[in-house]
Amino acid sequence: EAGVVQSPRYKIIEKKQPVAFWCNPISGHNTLYWYLQNLGQGPELLIRYENEEAVDDSQLPKDRFSAERLKGVDSTLKIQPAELGDSAVYLCASSLKGHPNTGELFFGEGSRLTVL
Amino acid sequence: DAKTTQPPSMDCAEGRAANLPCNHSTISGNEYVYWYRQIHSQGPQYIIHGLKNNETNEMASLIITEDRKSSTLILPHATLRDTAVYYCIADSGFQKLVFGTGTRLLVSP
Repeated sequence: EAGVVQSPRYKIIEKKQPVAFWCNPISGHNTLYWYLQNLGQGPELLIRYENEEAVDDSQLPKDRFSAERLKGVDSTLKIQPAELGDSAVYLCASSLKGHPNTGELFFGEGSRLTVL
Repeated sequence: DAKTTQPPSMDCAEGRAANLPCNHSTISGNEYVYWYRQIHSQGPQYIIHGLKNNETNEMASLIITEDRKSSTLILPHATLRDTAVYYCIADSGFQKLVFGTGTRLLVSP
């Protein structure tokens, strides 16, 4: 069974440029997450989707970050324009909605962004 | 969700048991204890979770104190591949996991 797939794996851009990350969750998983991980820190939640609906985007910097999950499957996270401080790893995860005690999130390998 | 406290780093000899502690003294009754680990350059990986009872699976054992204020993750026979950052998370199970900085476990030959 394929895991969570993310692309690109690495991206280097100059500041003020746009960038987009793509995530394909595990088949059948209706909950999708985007996390941000800075060097030496744990992942921080940016946004959580239940199917197509963003149910928690309180930590998403909406002035420059946007996300979408059309048709409730794949998702795209966009930054426009990118700033130096956006250099980090962007992780996508998916899970099955259901029992509240499931708790198992499946993560992709992440997309490492470097802003110059 | 309750805040957890973990030591920043631990060492373990290969083949020995690794016991990773976690303090969650403010945990509420409906919050589970989850453990994830993150190997270098990979995404976090689920290990185990529990509410009140001790739990065991093919990866590890989770021991939760009776008052639920602390827990210990046990890797019974650590290998070099267990070198990773281990995150202890207290969460009500609604899948909004809040990661801290975790414990960096180094397994040495």
